[in-house]
Amino acid sequence: QLQVQESGPGLVKPSETLSLICTVSGGSIRSSSYYWGWIRQSPGKGLEWIGSIHYSGSTYYNPSLKSRVTMSIDTSKSQFSLKLSSVTAADTAVYYCARRQVAAVHYWGQGTLVTVSS
Amino acid sequence: QSALTQPASVSGSPGQSITISCTGTSSDVGGYNYVSWYQQHPGKAPKLMIYDVSNRPSGVSNRFSGSKSGNTASLTISGLQAEDEAEYYCSSYTSSNTYVFGTGTKVTVL
Repeated sequence: QLQVQESGPGLVKPSETLSLICTVSGGSIRSSSYYWGWIRQSPGKGLEWIGSIHYSGSTYYNPSLKSRVTMSIDTSKSQFSLKLSSVTAADTAVYYCARRQVAAVHYWGQGTLVTVSS
Repeated sequence: QSALTQPASVSGSPGQSITISCTGTSSDVGGYNYVSWYQQHPGKAPKLMIYDVSNRPSGVSNRFSGSKSGNTASLTISGLQAEDEAEYYCSSYTSSNTYVFGTGTKVTVL
């Protein structure tokens, strides 16, 4: 059974860069059929798609976050990562990593809360 | 990109059927058969319930069904059960090669 698990700091200072890693287990990160991605949910709010990355390195970002987002993938470690720069309190959210097949997210991580505060 | 529009809340009694709408534009919902629906219980990760408008993943009850007409997609839950009480989100592929979620609908079982 495929599993994806987020890891990273739970607290980030304003103006700094949020960095998260997602580790994939129980399946190959190198499949051409899937995209790996990040989705976030601010406290009490709805879901927001951040972006996706293919094992080939192709990336697709939410236009509203594109200037601050960088995603990368390390197939040797079965990991992909998210960097979000110049964070503010508005970036406080639960961040989920996920696997997308065509246009639907079939697998979600449990989520990790990242708080932006000094 | 703007979030897809869903009603804030829908309620029904056990055994009844309810329908949740998800309205977008011709650049997302109306333009592609790539609408998915997710169920989220408090404190939990979302769970895929419907993909590609009307397909159910393995293990999802056939009480859940999806459809689409024009720029509006719908999720119907038949034979409503207490365990169906949760937040539901739709999502669609967009013409910008991105994805957008709906505003979310709280389903209450009376």
